[in-house]
Amino acid sequence: GQNIDQPTEMTATEGAIVQINCTYQTSGFNGLFWYQQHAGEAPTFLSYNVLDGLEEKGRFSSFLSRSKGYSYLLLKELQMKDSASYLCAVSDSNYQLIWGAGTKLIIKP
Amino acid sequence: ETGVTQTPRHLVMGMTNKKSLKCEQHLGHNAMYWYKQSAKKPLELMFVYNFKEQTENNSVPSRFSPECPNSSHLFLHLHTLQPEDSALYLCASTQEGMGSGANVLTFGAGSRLTVL
Repeated sequence: GQNIDQPTEMTATEGAIVQINCTYQTSGFNGLFWYQQHAGEAPTFLSYNVLDGLEEKGRFSSFLSRSKGYSYLLLKELQMKDSASYLCAVSDSNYQLIWGAGTKLIIKP
Repeated sequence: ETGVTQTPRHLVMGMTNKKSLKCEQHLGHNAMYWYKQSAKKPLELMFVYNFKEQTENNSVPSRFSPECPNSSHLFLHLHTLQPEDSALYLCASTQEGMGSGANVLTFGAGSRLTVL
């Protein structure tokens, strides 16, 4: 079967760096997405990786290793507003999105 | 208005009620989706419409009935629901391309449904 694994919850300190991991086993691969979802709000797109390597967007970076079935989202200079759930999703061979259960990130002052 | 708008934001209904969720997108996208989001579970795809035609129905019980009258509007009609149907129902849209994996979804804020 197809599966996406990510930690259920993580805690980090304001100003620090946190890495949220995502591992996947899917039928084919057409890219990996990260979305951010604040409580009670819509998920919003953060990043898309289809080739191996690191993509940087301001304080957020996303890394992909297709051979290892692995990605991470790196958040630097954490702010209280970064407290949210982070959803990992993979587009499979049929371009269907397979979703992880999300990682709830708690930022402490 | 811009983006994807869902109404109502909160809905409480009994098991014998009939209600509808509404989704509207102002992005000119050609595909719209209904997802179910339950606590600590992955998003579950329910239905997909592309150019008003249903292209995906993920074995959803018949007590959920979708309707897509045009490419901007999507409804989810609910009847005789069960308590386990309580969840956040998310609508999303995208511009589906030909063989591209990079179809970024734009989500609405969701309708929080509680079935008593």
